[in-house]
Amino acid sequence: QKEVEQDPGPLSVPEGAIVSLNCTYSNSAFQYFMWYRQYSRKGPELLMYTYSSGNKEDGRFTAQVDKSSKYISLFIRDSQPSDSATYLCAMRATDSWGKFQFGAGTQVVVTP
Amino acid sequence: EPEVTQTPSHQVTQMGQEVILRCVPISNHLYFYWYRQILGQKVEFLVSFYNNEISEKSEIFDDQFSVERPDGSNFTLKIRSTKLEDSAMYFCASRPPGQGFSYGYTFGSGTRLTVV
Repeated sequence: QKEVEQDPGPLSVPEGAIVSLNCTYSNSAFQYFMWYRQYSRKGPELLMYTYSSGNKEDGRFTAQVDKSSKYISLFIRDSQPSDSATYLCAMRATDSWGKFQFGAGTQVVVTP
Repeated sequence: EPEVTQTPSHQVTQMGQEVILRCVPISNHLYFYWYRQILGQKVEFLVSFYNNEISEKSEIFDDQFSVERPDGSNFTLKIRSTKLEDSAMYFCASRPPGQGFSYGYTFGSGTRLTVV
């Protein structure tokens, strides 16, 4: 079983719709969870981070972590064509500062 | 906004040759990382570096790989004898001191390494 599972998509939504992304994981030691956005031929760009379980909101983005289900989500409200990118989840354990495990990434296409 | 700069953006090398990938982290950052992404696959951790030594490394980071911060600004990844399977996008990342996890990591735009 892969440590981090993420549906590669592509996920196509019309402009203004809510984009719903998720990852599942198997390692119960993961405590820190992040979402990155990656445009083609660019490095990952941090969008959201959360520690342990709970919700976090930042503008149009909401991140949710359910540690009991080993499931994390990212929601993008009022999606724009500029949100078209690959979204990566990443997570790490408490004692592993740099060693993030990334998901494979979900390609999102927001159509005008 | 400060950036992590990587050079070159694309490097082609022959199998068996040595390559050095260069990174200039953000100036006040003290923690440095290399990741790689093989085409169509996930981003994979290679190594973390702090206080002039390796903090952690993955199984991928074998004896063919080494990292160095030769002059206090550059951070390099050397592959001694490249293999075809080393072809990937290599990302450098850095983070500032004392702010821990919450500020995440700033990634560079990557160096695409093609081994022929």
